[in-house]
Amino acid sequence: DQQVKQNSPSLSVQEGRISILNCDYTNSMFDYFLWYKKYPAEGPTFLISISSIKDKNEDGRFTVFLNKSAKHLSLHIVPSQPGDSAVYFCAASESTGGFKTIFGAGTRLFVKA
Amino acid sequence: DTAVSQTPKYLVTQMGNDKSIKCEQNLGHDTMYWYKQDSKKFLKIMFSYNNKELIINETVPNRFSPKSPDKAHLNLHINSLELGDSAVYFCASSQIPGPAYEQYFGPGTRLTVT
Repeated sequence: DQQVKQNSPSLSVQEGRISILNCDYTNSMFDYFLWYKKYPAEGPTFLISISSIKDKNEDGRFTVFLNKSAKHLSLHIVPSQPGDSAVYFCAASESTGGFKTIFGAGTRLFVKA
Repeated sequence: DTAVSQTPKYLVTQMGNDKSIKCEQNLGHDTMYWYKQDSKKFLKIMFSYNNKELIINETVPNRFSPKSPDKAHLNLHINSLELGDSAVYFCASSQIPGPAYEQYFGPGTRLTVT
Protein backbone atom coordinates (compact mmCIF):
# COMPACT_ATOMS: atom_id res chain seq x y z
CA ASP A 1 0.00 0.00 0.00
CA GLN A 2 1.70 3.12 -1.23
CA GLN A 3 0.98 5.96 1.13
CA VAL A 4 3.09 8.40 -0.88
CA LYS A 5 2.69 8.39 -4.64
CA GLN A 6 4.64 10.11 -7.34
CA ASN A 7 2.71 9.18 -10.44
CA SER A 8 5.10 10.66 -12.98
CA PRO A 9 8.20 8.51 -13.30
CA SER A 10 9.92 11.19 -15.39
CA LEU A 11 9.64 14.79 -16.48
CA SER A 12 11.52 16.68 -19.18
CA VAL A 13 11.80 20.49 -19.08
CA GLN A 14 13.70 23.10 -21.05
CA GLU A 15 16.37 25.08 -19.23
CA GLY A 16 14.98 28.32 -17.83
CA ARG A 17 11.41 27.02 -17.65
CA ILE A 18 9.48 25.91 -14.59
CA SER A 19 9.63 22.30 -13.39
CA ILE A 20 6.63 21.05 -11.43
CA LEU A 21 6.91 17.74 -9.61
CA ASN A 22 3.80 16.32 -8.01
CA CYS A 23 3.17 14.08 -5.04
CA ASP A 24 -0.01 12.62 -3.56
CA TYR A 25 -0.48 10.99 -0.20
CA THR A 26 -3.22 8.92 1.37
CA ASN A 27 -2.57 9.15 5.10
CA SER A 28 -4.33 12.21 6.51
CA MET A 29 -2.20 11.93 9.65
CA PHE A 30 0.93 13.00 7.78
CA ASP A 31 1.92 16.43 9.05
CA TYR A 32 5.42 16.95 7.69
CA PHE A 33 6.59 16.66 4.12
CA LEU A 34 10.07 16.72 2.61
CA TRP A 35 11.64 16.65 -0.83
CA TYR A 36 14.95 14.95 -1.44
CA LYS A 37 17.10 15.08 -4.55
CA LYS A 38 19.23 12.19 -5.72
CA TYR A 39 22.03 12.04 -8.29
CA PRO A 40 23.17 8.68 -9.71
CA ALA A 41 25.45 6.65 -7.44
CA GLU A 42 24.82 9.04 -4.53
CA GLY A 43 22.44 9.03 -1.61
CA PRO A 44 19.42 11.35 -1.48
CA THR A 45 20.06 14.87 -0.19
CA PHE A 46 17.51 17.04 1.56
CA LEU A 47 16.08 19.84 -0.54
CA ILE A 48 13.11 21.50 1.14
CA SER A 49 10.34 20.69 3.61
CA ILE A 50 6.94 21.93 4.71
CA SER A 51 4.85 21.51 7.81
CA SER A 52 1.11 20.89 7.52
CA ILE A 53 0.41 24.22 9.24
CA LYS A 54 1.70 25.96 6.13
CA ASP A 55 0.65 25.82 2.52
CA LYS A 56 3.83 27.16 0.97
CA ASN A 57 7.53 27.18 1.68
CA GLU A 58 10.12 28.84 -0.49
CA ASP A 59 13.88 28.48 -0.65
CA GLY A 60 15.58 30.22 -3.53
CA ARG A 61 14.50 28.60 -6.79
CA PHE A 62 12.56 25.90 -4.96
CA THR A 63 9.01 26.24 -3.66
CA VAL A 64 6.86 23.54 -2.16
CA PHE A 65 3.07 23.89 -2.11
CA LEU A 66 0.81 21.83 0.12
CA ASN A 67 -2.90 21.27 -0.47
CA LYS A 68 -4.12 19.35 2.57
CA SER A 69 -7.69 18.95 1.40
CA ALA A 70 -6.48 17.32 -1.80
CA LYS A 71 -3.65 15.46 -0.03
CA HIS A 72 -1.33 16.81 -2.65
CA LEU A 73 1.97 18.62 -2.68
CA SER A 74 4.13 19.91 -5.45
CA LEU A 75 7.68 21.12 -5.89
CA HIS A 76 8.29 24.02 -8.24
CA ILE A 77 11.75 24.78 -9.57
CA VAL A 78 12.11 28.15 -11.25
CA PRO A 79 14.14 28.64 -13.36
CA SER A 80 15.19 25.07 -14.07
CA GLN A 81 18.88 24.46 -14.66
CA PRO A 82 20.68 21.46 -16.21
CA GLY A 83 22.24 20.74 -12.80
CA ASP A 84 18.73 20.13 -11.46
CA SER A 85 18.56 16.92 -13.51
CA ALA A 86 18.16 14.24 -10.87
CA VAL A 87 15.58 12.00 -9.22
CA TYR A 88 13.31 13.83 -6.77
CA PHE A 89 11.74 11.93 -3.89
CA CYS A 90 8.71 13.13 -2.01
CA ALA A 91 8.56 11.99 1.63
CA ALA A 92 6.03 12.28 4.43
CA SER A 93 5.84 11.56 8.13
CA GLU A 94 3.51 12.01 11.08
CA SER A 95 4.53 13.44 14.43
CA THR A 96 2.40 11.05 16.41
CA GLY A 97 3.19 7.97 14.41
CA GLY A 98 6.70 7.28 15.52
CA PHE A 99 9.73 8.27 13.58
CA LYS A 100 9.09 6.75 10.19
CA THR A 101 9.46 8.71 7.00
CA ILE A 102 7.59 7.27 4.00
CA PHE A 103 9.11 7.89 0.59
CA GLY A 104 7.56 7.93 -2.85
CA ALA A 105 9.14 6.15 -5.79
CA GLY A 106 10.69 9.31 -7.18
CA THR A 107 10.39 11.37 -10.37
CA ARG A 108 13.36 11.67 -12.69
CA LEU A 109 13.75 15.24 -13.93
CA PHE A 110 15.62 16.00 -17.14
CA VAL A 111 16.48 19.64 -17.75
CA LYS A 112 17.54 20.20 -21.33
CA ALA A 113 20.04 22.92 -22.18
CA ASP B 1 35.12 14.59 4.74
CA THR B 2 32.23 12.29 3.99
CA ALA B 3 29.35 12.88 6.41
CA VAL B 4 27.77 9.42 6.11
CA SER B 5 29.89 6.66 4.68
CA GLN B 6 29.06 3.07 3.81
CA THR B 7 31.25 0.11 3.00
CA PRO B 8 31.34 -1.66 0.71
CA LYS B 9 29.84 0.33 -2.17
CA TYR B 10 29.20 -2.82 -4.19
CA LEU B 11 28.68 -6.34 -2.91
CA VAL B 12 28.19 -9.39 -5.11
CA THR B 13 27.62 -12.67 -3.35
CA GLN B 14 25.91 -16.01 -3.71
CA MET B 15 22.69 -17.21 -2.20
CA GLY B 16 23.06 -18.60 1.27
CA ASN B 17 26.06 -16.49 2.23
CA ASP B 18 26.21 -14.12 5.20
CA LYS B 19 27.35 -10.54 4.63
CA SER B 20 27.65 -7.26 6.50
CA ILE B 21 27.37 -3.64 5.44
CA LYS B 22 28.97 -0.98 7.61
CA CYS B 23 27.85 2.60 8.12
CA GLU B 24 29.54 5.48 9.92
CA GLN B 25 28.49 9.09 10.37
CA ASN B 26 30.70 11.94 11.56
CA LEU B 27 27.91 14.48 12.01
CA GLY B 28 27.42 13.89 15.71
CA HIS B 29 23.85 12.75 15.10
CA ASP B 30 21.96 10.64 17.60
CA THR B 31 19.79 8.73 15.15
CA MET B 32 20.71 6.36 12.33
CA TYR B 33 18.62 4.45 9.79
CA TRP B 34 18.79 1.67 7.25
CA TYR B 35 16.69 1.91 4.10
CA LYS B 36 16.22 -0.54 1.25
CA GLN B 37 15.62 0.71 -2.28
CA ASP B 38 14.04 -2.12 -4.22
CA SER B 39 13.63 -2.65 -7.95
CA LYS B 40 10.57 -0.37 -7.97
CA LYS B 41 12.78 2.41 -6.59
CA PHE B 42 10.86 2.89 -3.34
CA LEU B 43 12.99 3.77 -0.35
CA LYS B 44 11.67 1.71 2.53
CA ILE B 45 12.71 2.10 6.15
CA MET B 46 14.06 -1.06 7.71
CA PHE B 47 15.54 -0.05 11.06
CA SER B 48 16.36 2.99 13.10
CA TYR B 49 18.50 3.45 16.19
CA ASN B 50 18.53 6.42 18.54
CA ASN B 51 21.49 6.55 20.91
CA LYS B 52 22.17 2.88 20.23
CA GLU B 53 18.56 1.95 21.06
CA LEU B 54 16.34 0.36 18.42
CA ILE B 55 13.32 2.63 17.77
CA ILE B 56 12.08 1.41 14.39
CA ASN B 57 11.96 -2.23 13.42
CA GLU B 58 9.90 -2.71 10.30
CA THR B 59 8.64 -6.01 9.06
CA VAL B 60 11.85 -7.40 7.70
CA PRO B 61 13.01 -11.03 7.82
CA ASN B 62 14.90 -12.11 10.91
CA ARG B 63 17.85 -12.75 8.64
CA PHE B 64 18.49 -9.00 8.82
CA SER B 65 20.07 -7.85 12.05
CA PRO B 66 21.26 -4.32 12.74
CA LYS B 67 23.96 -3.58 15.26
CA SER B 68 24.91 -0.23 16.69
CA PRO B 69 28.16 -0.38 18.67
CA ASP B 70 28.03 3.38 19.26
CA LYS B 71 26.08 6.43 18.11
CA ALA B 72 28.31 6.93 15.09
CA HIS B 73 28.00 3.43 13.68
CA LEU B 74 25.12 1.29 12.48
CA ASN B 75 25.95 -1.97 10.75
CA LEU B 76 23.62 -4.31 8.91
CA HIS B 77 24.24 -8.04 8.94
CA ILE B 78 22.32 -10.31 6.59
CA ASN B 79 22.25 -14.07 7.04
CA SER B 80 21.41 -16.69 4.42
CA LEU B 81 21.15 -14.22 1.57
CA GLU B 82 18.35 -14.71 -0.95
CA LEU B 83 17.85 -13.47 -4.50
CA GLY B 84 15.16 -11.06 -3.28
CA ASP B 85 17.67 -9.30 -1.05
CA SER B 86 19.27 -7.76 -4.12
CA ALA B 87 18.76 -4.02 -3.77
CA VAL B 88 20.52 -0.80 -2.89
CA TYR B 89 20.81 -0.29 0.86
CA PHE B 90 21.13 3.24 2.20
CA CYS B 91 22.27 4.28 5.61
CA ALA B 92 21.12 7.66 6.93
CA SER B 93 21.40 9.76 10.05
CA SER B 94 19.53 12.67 11.60
CA GLN B 95 20.14 14.97 14.52
CA ILE B 96 17.33 13.40 16.52
CA PRO B 97 14.37 11.25 15.51
CA GLY B 98 11.29 13.06 14.35
CA PRO B 99 9.61 14.07 11.15
CA ALA B 100 11.00 17.61 11.08
CA TYR B 101 14.61 16.55 11.05
CA GLU B 102 16.15 16.01 7.67
CA GLN B 103 18.10 12.86 7.13
CA TYR B 104 21.59 12.67 5.70
CA PHE B 105 22.14 9.67 3.47
CA GLY B 106 25.19 7.64 2.63
CA PRO B 107 26.04 6.80 -1.00
CA GLY B 108 24.37 3.40 -0.84
CA THR B 109 25.55 -0.19 -1.09
CA ARG B 110 24.41 -2.11 -4.15
CA LEU B 111 23.93 -5.73 -3.11
CA THR B 112 23.61 -8.34 -5.83
CA VAL B 113 22.77 -11.89 -4.84
CA THR B 114 23.36 -14.53 -7.50
